[in-house]
Amino acid sequence: QVQLQESGPGLVKPSQTLSLTCTVSGGSISSGDYHWTWIRQPPGKGLEWIGNIYHSGSTYYRSSLKSRVTISLDTSKNQFSLKLSSVTAADTAVYFCVRGSLQWPVLGAFDIWGQGTLVTVSS
Amino acid sequence: DIQMTQSPSSLSASVGDRVTIACRASQTVSSYLHWYQQKPGKAPKLLIYAASSLQGGVPSRFSGSGSGTDFTLTISSLQPEDFATYYCQQTYSIPRTFGGGTKVEIK
Repeated sequence: QVQLQESGPGLVKPSQTLSLTCTVSGGSISSGDYHWTWIRQPPGKGLEWIGNIYHSGSTYYRSSLKSRVTISLDTSKNQFSLKLSSVTAADTAVYFCVRGSLQWPVLGAFDIWGQGTLVTVSS
Repeated sequence: DIQMTQSPSSLSASVGDRVTIACRASQTVSSYLHWYQQKPGKAPKLLIYAASSLQGGVPSRFSGSGSGTDFTLTISSLQPEDFATYYCQQTYSIPRTFGGGTKVEIK
């Protein structure tokens, strides 16, 4: 059974870089059947897609965050990571790491989610 | 970006009621439309993928329909554990976008 677990600091100062890691267990992050995604949810609000990465290393990012975000894979550790630079209070949110299925006919749906981790941006 | 609009944003219903939630896309998403359930403090859970396919382990009282721009999630007989917020999402194009959510509350 595949599981995803986020880890990283829960508090980040304004202007610094938010760094989170997602550890995948029970399956390989190198599988071509899936892509790996970060989604966030500000307190009391809806879900916002940040970006994703494929096993090839190809990445896609939300345009409004593109200048500040990097998603990367570490296949040796079966992990993928998120870095978001120059954070402000507006980046305070629960961050989820998520698996998207490329298998037919799932059409890219996000079938497995981490439990989420709250990151607060504050001095 | 494709905008996803859900209606209503909230509803009150009783156990046993039939509940319908609508989702409209600003342009076609074909069948690349999925539904999630989120309970407070928890991660979203995939209920329906590709507009009408039930994810494994999800009760059959949940169903989805539609294609193109208009979609519906139906709960045939609302159960106590179904009180939650429901989101639609498209994976037709980048950026992936979600609807604003529909909160289903107890009447």
